[in-house]
Amino acid sequence: QQQVKQSPQSLIVQKGGISIINCAYENTAFDYFPWYQQFPGKGPALLIAIRPDVSEKKEGRFTISFNKSAKQFSLHIMDSQPGDSATYFCAASGGSNYKLTFGKGTLLTVNP
Amino acid sequence: SAVISQKPSRDICQRGTSLTIQCQVDSQVTMMFWYRQQPGQSLTLIATANQGSEATYESGFVIDKFPISRPNLTFSTLTVSNMSPEDSSIYLCSVGAGANTGELFFGEGSRLTVL
Repeated sequence: QQQVKQSPQSLIVQKGGISIINCAYENTAFDYFPWYQQFPGKGPALLIAIRPDVSEKKEGRFTISFNKSAKQFSLHIMDSQPGDSATYFCAASGGSNYKLTFGKGTLLTVNP
Repeated sequence: SAVISQKPSRDICQRGTSLTIQCQVDSQVTMMFWYRQQPGQSLTLIATANQGSEATYESGFVIDKFPISRPNLTFSTLTVSNMSPEDSSIYLCSVGAGANTGELFFGEGSRLTVL
Protein backbone atom coordinates (compact mmCIF):
# COMPACT_ATOMS: atom_id res chain seq x y z
CA GLN A 1 0.00 0.00 0.00
CA GLN A 2 1.14 3.50 -0.76
CA GLN A 3 2.11 5.60 2.19
CA VAL A 4 0.25 8.43 3.83
CA LYS A 5 2.49 10.39 6.18
CA GLN A 6 0.85 12.10 9.16
CA SER A 7 2.21 14.61 11.64
CA PRO A 8 2.49 15.39 14.45
CA GLN A 9 2.31 12.10 16.33
CA SER A 10 0.81 13.88 19.33
CA LEU A 11 -0.57 17.33 19.96
CA ILE A 12 -1.57 19.22 23.08
CA VAL A 13 -3.82 22.24 22.71
CA GLN A 14 -5.53 24.51 25.17
CA LYS A 15 -9.31 24.76 25.15
CA GLY A 16 -10.40 27.28 22.55
CA GLY A 17 -7.23 26.91 20.51
CA ILE A 18 -6.75 25.65 16.98
CA SER A 19 -5.57 22.09 16.39
CA ILE A 20 -3.79 21.41 13.10
CA ILE A 21 -2.85 17.97 11.82
CA ASN A 22 -1.05 17.48 8.54
CA CYS A 23 -0.86 14.64 6.04
CA ALA A 24 1.05 14.05 2.83
CA TYR A 25 0.56 11.38 0.22
CA GLU A 26 2.51 9.98 -2.69
CA ASN A 27 0.03 8.22 -4.95
CA THR A 28 -1.50 10.67 -7.43
CA ALA A 29 -4.30 8.17 -8.07
CA PHE A 30 -5.75 8.95 -4.65
CA ASP A 31 -8.95 10.93 -5.01
CA TYR A 32 -10.69 10.61 -1.67
CA PHE A 33 -9.22 11.93 1.58
CA PRO A 34 -11.14 11.28 4.80
CA TRP A 35 -10.32 12.03 8.39
CA TYR A 36 -11.36 9.60 11.08
CA GLN A 37 -11.75 10.25 14.79
CA GLN A 38 -11.21 7.43 17.27
CA PHE A 39 -11.97 7.49 20.98
CA PRO A 40 -10.42 4.89 23.29
CA GLY A 41 -12.20 1.56 23.04
CA LYS A 42 -14.17 2.59 19.99
CA GLY A 43 -13.83 2.06 16.27
CA PRO A 44 -12.84 4.96 14.02
CA ALA A 45 -15.67 7.23 12.91
CA LEU A 46 -15.66 9.35 9.78
CA LEU A 47 -15.26 13.00 10.70
CA ILE A 48 -14.96 14.82 7.40
CA ALA A 49 -13.72 14.03 3.90
CA ILE A 50 -12.64 15.87 0.77
CA ARG A 51 -12.09 15.14 -2.90
CA PRO A 52 -9.41 16.95 -4.94
CA ASP A 53 -11.82 19.09 -6.91
CA VAL A 54 -12.03 21.54 -4.00
CA SER A 55 -9.30 23.12 -1.88
CA GLU A 56 -11.24 23.39 1.34
CA LYS A 57 -14.21 21.83 3.07
CA LYS A 58 -15.72 23.01 6.31
CA GLU A 59 -18.16 21.26 8.61
CA GLY A 60 -18.78 23.11 11.84
CA ARG A 61 -15.50 23.52 13.70
CA PHE A 62 -13.69 21.07 11.40
CA THR A 63 -12.01 22.14 8.16
CA ILE A 64 -9.97 20.18 5.64
CA SER A 65 -7.48 22.14 3.54
CA PHE A 66 -6.25 20.37 0.42
CA ASN A 67 -3.22 21.24 -1.71
CA LYS A 68 -3.21 19.02 -4.79
CA SER A 69 0.06 20.27 -6.23
CA ALA A 70 1.89 19.66 -2.96
CA LYS A 71 0.01 16.41 -2.35
CA GLN A 72 -0.84 17.53 1.16
CA PHE A 73 -3.99 17.91 3.19
CA SER A 74 -4.65 19.04 6.72
CA LEU A 75 -7.33 19.03 9.38
CA HIS A 76 -8.03 22.18 11.35
CA ILE A 77 -10.12 22.03 14.49
CA MET A 78 -11.25 25.48 15.53
CA ASP A 79 -12.18 26.34 19.11
CA SER A 80 -10.86 22.97 20.28
CA GLN A 81 -12.73 21.41 23.18
CA PRO A 82 -11.75 18.75 25.73
CA GLY A 83 -14.32 16.47 24.08
CA ASP A 84 -12.22 16.62 20.92
CA SER A 85 -9.47 14.71 22.71
CA ALA A 86 -9.06 11.58 20.59
CA THR A 87 -6.80 9.99 18.01
CA TYR A 88 -7.20 11.38 14.50
CA PHE A 89 -6.30 9.44 11.38
CA CYS A 90 -5.99 10.79 7.90
CA ALA A 91 -6.52 8.34 5.06
CA ALA A 92 -6.65 8.14 1.28
CA SER A 93 -8.09 5.94 -1.41
CA GLY A 94 -8.24 5.96 -5.19
CA GLY A 95 -10.83 5.32 -7.88
CA SER A 96 -14.00 3.67 -6.70
CA ASN A 97 -11.84 1.82 -4.26
CA TYR A 98 -12.85 1.57 -0.65
CA LYS A 99 -9.41 0.34 0.35
CA LEU A 100 -8.14 3.09 2.60
CA THR A 101 -4.50 3.74 3.35
CA PHE A 102 -4.25 5.29 6.79
CA GLY A 103 -1.74 7.65 8.34
CA LYS A 104 -0.20 6.66 11.65
CA GLY A 105 -2.52 8.81 13.71
CA THR A 106 -2.29 11.88 15.91
CA LEU A 107 -3.20 11.76 19.57
CA LEU A 108 -4.87 15.07 20.34
CA THR A 109 -5.24 16.25 23.92
CA VAL A 110 -7.23 19.38 24.59
CA ASN A 111 -6.62 20.75 28.06
CA PRO A 112 -9.47 22.52 29.85
CA SER B 1 -25.10 4.78 8.41
CA ALA B 2 -24.60 1.07 9.02
CA VAL B 3 -24.62 -0.44 12.50
CA ILE B 4 -21.84 -2.99 12.85
CA SER B 5 -21.67 -5.45 15.73
CA GLN B 6 -18.54 -7.41 16.48
CA LYS B 7 -18.11 -10.37 18.80
CA PRO B 8 -16.19 -10.85 20.96
CA SER B 9 -15.40 -7.30 22.00
CA ARG B 10 -12.28 -8.56 23.74
CA ASP B 11 -10.64 -11.83 24.60
CA ILE B 12 -7.51 -13.23 26.14
CA CYS B 13 -6.14 -16.21 24.27
CA GLN B 14 -3.38 -18.71 24.72
CA ARG B 15 -0.52 -19.05 22.28
CA GLY B 16 -1.19 -21.63 19.57
CA THR B 17 -4.98 -21.41 19.73
CA SER B 18 -7.34 -19.90 17.17
CA LEU B 19 -10.16 -17.42 17.62
CA THR B 20 -13.02 -16.48 15.32
CA ILE B 21 -14.37 -12.94 15.29
CA GLN B 22 -17.88 -12.32 14.03
CA CYS B 23 -19.14 -9.20 12.26
CA GLN B 24 -22.85 -8.57 11.81
CA VAL B 25 -24.21 -5.60 9.86
CA ASP B 26 -27.76 -4.30 10.15
CA SER B 27 -28.17 -3.96 6.38
CA GLN B 28 -26.93 -5.67 3.25
CA VAL B 29 -23.57 -4.34 2.14
CA THR B 30 -21.44 -5.15 -0.85
CA MET B 31 -18.05 -4.11 0.45
CA MET B 32 -16.80 -5.53 3.74
CA PHE B 33 -13.26 -5.34 5.04
CA TRP B 34 -11.15 -6.52 7.95
CA TYR B 35 -8.50 -4.22 9.42
CA ARG B 36 -5.91 -4.74 12.13
CA GLN B 37 -4.84 -2.05 14.56
CA GLN B 38 -1.81 -2.97 16.61
CA PRO B 39 -1.37 -1.24 19.98
CA GLY B 40 -0.84 2.48 19.46
CA GLN B 41 -0.56 2.00 15.72
CA SER B 42 -2.49 2.80 12.59
CA LEU B 43 -4.99 0.62 10.78
CA THR B 44 -3.79 -1.93 8.27
CA LEU B 45 -6.09 -3.65 5.81
CA ILE B 46 -5.99 -7.43 6.15
CA ALA B 47 -8.43 -8.43 3.44
CA THR B 48 -11.61 -7.72 1.55
CA ALA B 49 -14.35 -10.19 2.42
CA ASN B 50 -16.12 -11.17 -0.79
CA GLN B 51 -19.59 -12.65 -0.63
CA GLY B 52 -19.69 -16.06 -2.20
CA SER B 53 -16.00 -16.23 -3.06
CA GLU B 54 -12.60 -16.31 -1.44
CA ALA B 55 -11.40 -13.21 0.37
CA THR B 56 -8.82 -10.94 -1.25
CA TYR B 57 -5.78 -10.59 0.99
CA GLU B 58 -3.35 -7.70 1.19
CA SER B 59 0.38 -8.13 1.05
CA GLY B 60 1.69 -9.72 4.22
CA PHE B 61 -1.55 -11.49 5.11
CA VAL B 62 -2.39 -15.06 4.10
CA ILE B 63 -5.49 -17.19 4.15
CA ASP B 64 -3.95 -19.90 6.33
CA LYS B 65 -3.34 -17.39 9.10
CA PHE B 66 -6.49 -15.28 8.66
CA PRO B 67 -9.25 -17.36 7.07
CA ILE B 68 -12.34 -15.29 6.30
CA SER B 69 -15.90 -16.32 5.59
CA ARG B 70 -18.64 -14.19 4.01
CA PRO B 71 -21.73 -16.36 3.69
CA ASN B 72 -24.12 -13.47 2.96
CA LEU B 73 -24.29 -9.70 2.58
CA THR B 74 -24.72 -8.98 6.30
CA PHE B 75 -22.22 -11.28 8.01
CA SER B 76 -18.54 -12.18 7.99
CA THR B 77 -16.04 -13.92 10.21
CA LEU B 78 -12.31 -13.53 10.61
CA THR B 79 -10.30 -16.30 12.26
CA VAL B 80 -6.88 -15.62 13.72
CA SER B 81 -5.14 -18.98 13.57
CA ASN B 82 -2.31 -20.42 15.62
CA MET B 83 -1.98 -17.20 17.57
CA SER B 84 1.23 -15.75 18.93
CA PRO B 85 1.74 -12.67 21.14
CA GLU B 86 2.46 -10.69 17.96
CA ASP B 87 -1.20 -11.17 16.99
CA SER B 88 -2.32 -9.11 19.98
CA SER B 89 -4.26 -6.35 18.26
CA ILE B 90 -7.62 -4.81 17.70
CA TYR B 91 -9.37 -6.38 14.73
CA LEU B 92 -11.93 -4.15 13.05
CA CYS B 93 -14.70 -4.98 10.65
CA SER B 94 -15.68 -2.24 8.26
CA VAL B 95 -18.24 -1.79 5.50
CA GLY B 96 -18.56 0.55 2.58
CA ALA B 97 -21.33 3.12 2.64
CA GLY B 98 -22.29 2.32 -0.93
CA ALA B 99 -22.64 4.38 -4.09
CA ASN B 100 -18.87 4.50 -4.46
CA THR B 101 -18.54 7.23 -1.88
CA GLY B 102 -15.38 5.72 -0.45
CA GLU B 103 -16.85 6.15 3.02
CA LEU B 104 -16.26 3.33 5.47
CA PHE B 105 -18.10 2.53 8.67
CA PHE B 106 -16.24 0.65 11.37
CA GLY B 107 -17.31 -1.68 14.12
CA GLU B 108 -16.01 -1.07 17.62
CA GLY B 109 -13.38 -3.72 17.20
CA SER B 110 -12.34 -6.94 18.87
CA ARG B 111 -9.37 -6.53 21.20
CA LEU B 112 -7.31 -9.71 21.35
CA THR B 113 -4.53 -10.34 23.83
CA VAL B 114 -2.40 -13.42 23.23
CA LEU B 115 -0.41 -14.73 26.16
